[in-house]
Amino acid sequence: AQRVTQPEKLLSVFKGAPVELKCNYSYSGSPELFWYVQYSRQRLQLLLRHISRESIKGFTADLNKGETSFHLKKPFAQEEDSAMYYCALPPNRSGAGSYQLTFGKGTKLSVIP
Amino acid sequence: DAGITQSPRYKITETGRQVTLMCHQTWSHSYMFWYRQDLGHGLRLIYYSAAADITDKGEVPDGYVVSRSKTENFPLTLESATRSQTSVYFCASSDQANTNYGYTFGSGTRLTVV
Repeated sequence: AQRVTQPEKLLSVFKGAPVELKCNYSYSGSPELFWYVQYSRQRLQLLLRHISRESIKGFTADLNKGETSFHLKKPFAQEEDSAMYYCALPPNRSGAGSYQLTFGKGTKLSVIP
Repeated sequence: DAGITQSPRYKITETGRQVTLMCHQTWSHSYMFWYRQDLGHGLRLIYYSAAADITDKGEVPDGYVVSRSKTENFPLTLESATRSQTSVYFCASSDQANTNYGYTFGSGTRLTVV
C-alpha cells in the first residue's frame, strides 16, 4: 500500500534561514504528490502540486524517484511561513475510485524571529 | 473558498449521544471526503464518496456513518459518540477523478466529546 512519511513532527528555523520539510513515500508507479499547508486554526490549503512544477510563496518541491522523496524547500524562511505542512499522495491503483489522498502525519514549522 | 462549508464550527457533546456534522459544497464536485485530524496521527480518512449514493470506507470508519443523497451534501454522523472521537473533522471535495487538482477543504468542525 502507498505510504507517506514525514519524519519530523516539528522543525524550528530562524527567519531568513533555509527550510527543508522532508517527505518520503512508497508507491508503485509515478506518484502525483501534493503539499498542503494549514495556518493556525485555519483550513488546509493546497500549496504545491508535483504535476504543475510550480513555486508558491517561495516554496518548491522536486520529486526524486531514486530517493522516493518530495521535500519542500524555501531558501529564506519568513515568520508567516509558520504553519503545519502535510505531504499527500493518491492510492496506487488507477481508474475509478483512485481519488482518495493519503496524508503524512505533518510537520509543524516554526520560524523564529 | 466559501464554496465548501462545514457546520457547526464547534460542538461539545456527551458520550453516547448521536451527533451529525454537516458539509455542503456549491461547486457540484463529484468527490467528497471526511478526514479527522489528531495530534500524532495527522489526517486520517474516515469516509469518501464518488457521487450521490456512492460511499466507501476509509482508514478509520468505525463509529461513523455517512450518506450522500444529494451531490452537494455529505453529512457525517457519529452514532454514539465516544471520547476517542474528540477531534477536528475536515470535509473536502474534488472535481477530478485522479486528484490532479487536489482537494478543497472546509474550515473544519472541532468536536469535543465529554
